[in-house]
Amino acid sequence: EPEVTQTPSHQVTQMGQEVILRCVPISNHLYFYWYRQILGQKVEFLVSFYNNEISEKSEIFDDQFSVERPDGSNFTLKIRSTKLEDSAMYFCASSGEGEREYYEQYFGPGTRLTVT
Amino acid sequence: LAKTTQPISMDSYEGQEVNITCSHNNIATNDYITWYQQFPSQGPRFIIQGYKTKVTNEVASLFIPADRKSSTLSLPRVSLSDTAVYYCLVGDGGYNNNDMRFGAGTRLTVKP
Repeated sequence: EPEVTQTPSHQVTQMGQEVILRCVPISNHLYFYWYRQILGQKVEFLVSFYNNEISEKSEIFDDQFSVERPDGSNFTLKIRSTKLEDSAMYFCASSGEGEREYYEQYFGPGTRLTVT
Repeated sequence: LAKTTQPISMDSYEGQEVNITCSHNNIATNDYITWYQQFPSQGPRFIIQGYKTKVTNEVASLFIPADRKSSTLSLPRVSLSDTAVYYCLVGDGGYNNNDMRFGAGTRLTVKP
């Protein structure tokens, strides 16, 4: 079964540093997403990406965040200057384009980001 | 996006049928109802999706009454491995709001 992959599985960084989280979505999917989950809290939507541009973003996704699809397979989330409160599990997801397929999102295993 | 309300937690025993009900009084005509499951330290996993009446797959059944203001996820004969958080989401597949908002979910604990 095809799956979404994410690297690294765990990233430790110092406050103020830039981090790039990487994802490889399922190959024939067209919608891509990033979510985060702070330990013990709910899954929070960050951003969705379609046709090489952001289609929706939440209030969390401020100027410190950016996304990119640098080639035909990778989808990245960059945090320019990390803060302690950015420590969380970050999930990438992808889905097909159809109306019903949109909500059938496939999630990756996550990257645990620890900011010290 | 229609807001959803679910019980915070539920307990069950192995072999029992578990029904988790989600309220979505403001569901719109174009909205679908989708359920996800999440194990600790893993990403959510799609379980089932429906629009009206009943949907069944190899994992669960989803019951949706005619008014669509609620839905019930039914897990037959649960096992310990079904212990997880279950999320109910309602949305129109991206036409009006191109995001997916998770609530707190229902934490199901299956006991031996």
